[in-house]
Amino acid sequence: DIQLTQSPSFLSASVGDRVTITCRASQDISTYLAWYQQKPGKAPNLLIYAASILQSGVPSRFSGSGSGTEFILTISSLQPEDFATYYCQQLNINSYPFTFGPGTKVDIK
Amino acid sequence: EVQLVESGGGLVQPGGSLRLSCAASGFTFRSFAMSWVRQAPGKGLEWVSVISGGGGSTYYGDSVKGRFTISRDSSRSTLYLQMNSLRVEDTAIYYCAKPLYSFYDPFDSWGQGTLVTVSS
Repeated sequence: DIQLTQSPSFLSASVGDRVTITCRASQDISTYLAWYQQKPGKAPNLLIYAASILQSGVPSRFSGSGSGTEFILTISSLQPEDFATYYCQQLNINSYPFTFGPGTKVDIK
Repeated sequence: EVQLVESGGGLVQPGGSLRLSCAASGFTFRSFAMSWVRQAPGKGLEWVSVISGGGGSTYYGDSVKGRFTISRDSSRSTLYLQMNSLRVEDTAIYYCAKPLYSFYDPFDSWGQGTLVTVSS
């Protein structure tokens, strides 16, 4: 199975900060990686797919990059509504399970 | 508008069984693979299972393989998860999820989730 790690697991930031979260895969997954945002008590919300494609309706302050085994989610200017937990997920063809990373909680400094 | 509504959760004893349902609307159900994802209280997301649009292909996570069965009824636009031999560690909110376009796409639509509690 493909394992995903995320760093940091927790970060404290202020409104307006630039935030980056890293997701690393245990083997090459090309660009078969997605990012989700989850707020307490809610289902996850898709932000980025295919490593760098912004999902429709998601603000442009969110961006994704990377390929192979290292991926980055960037929030260019953190807004109050962005305080949440962020998960990466790999969906490499024929690589079941479609593993999620352990999550990164973004909290208010 | 896509809607996914899960039901069937509840309290069950270890070793027991439960069947979850997910009623889908707002899209051509038979054209999309569908997945179940779960989240234990205070924990992260865990992908559980996927079924192809036609129902002929199914895949499971290692922790549920051999105990859970995913199925679908396209005439009712409903996804199911039959859960047998339940364990305390199966306690979680169970979400059904629809992919963007194809089998290997991430999930752009999720239900509200149904809580399964396995406890004696």
